[in-house]
Amino acid sequence: GQQLNQSPQSMFIQEGEDVSMNCTSSSIFNTWLWYKQDPGEGPVLLIALYKAGELTSNGRLTAQFGITRKDSFLNISASIPSDVGIYFCAGRTLSGAQKLVFGQGTRLTINP
Amino acid sequence: DTEVTQTPKHLVMGMTNKKSLKCEQHMGHRAMYWYKQKAKKPPELMFVYSYEKLSINESVPSRFSPECPNSSLLNLHLHALQPEDSALYLCASSQEIFQPQHFGDGTRLSIL
Repeated sequence: GQQLNQSPQSMFIQEGEDVSMNCTSSSIFNTWLWYKQDPGEGPVLLIALYKAGELTSNGRLTAQFGITRKDSFLNISASIPSDVGIYFCAGRTLSGAQKLVFGQGTRLTINP
Repeated sequence: DTEVTQTPKHLVMGMTNKKSLKCEQHMGHRAMYWYKQKAKKPPELMFVYSYEKLSINESVPSRFSPECPNSSLLNLHLHALQPEDSALYLCASSQEIFQPQHFGDGTRLSIL
């Protein structure tokens, strides 16, 4: 089945630093989504991307839909303690059942 | 606060018990989903309902039985579960099938 390669798997950074993570696939996707999950809670939708090349911001978060449609990245600027959590990318396939395919997640830890 | 409400938040049951998980949304979404999530892993799709009809069953064992009584409610009936079924069960909804999904906070299920 289709897979998304999300990297890095984990990040340990200092408060105030910028963060960058990405997802790549061998398949083309027509939608890219970025979610954040805190312990004991469900994933929360952060940003949705629908067109190749699209760049969208949500506060300190910025995500881009890669031009090849096979990748996406998420940047967080000036990280703060509440940014801690697991970030998942998800892509919607172009063909077949058009299910959401999730990346394995990036666990972000911030040292104050 | 999530707009998808799941009950109960925690459930402990024996392998011979019968229990049900409940999910409710009042956003007028016409697609609803059940996911299973193991620790440190992404959500795995189980079932998809669209307009109250089962659209996708991801080869889930019959000891899991979904039900969609109306457009706002989704149930997951559990019977004769195995210890490996212990996980976080997430419900999600979207405006239409496979549009960006909004998740509830899940039911943490433990099978003794």
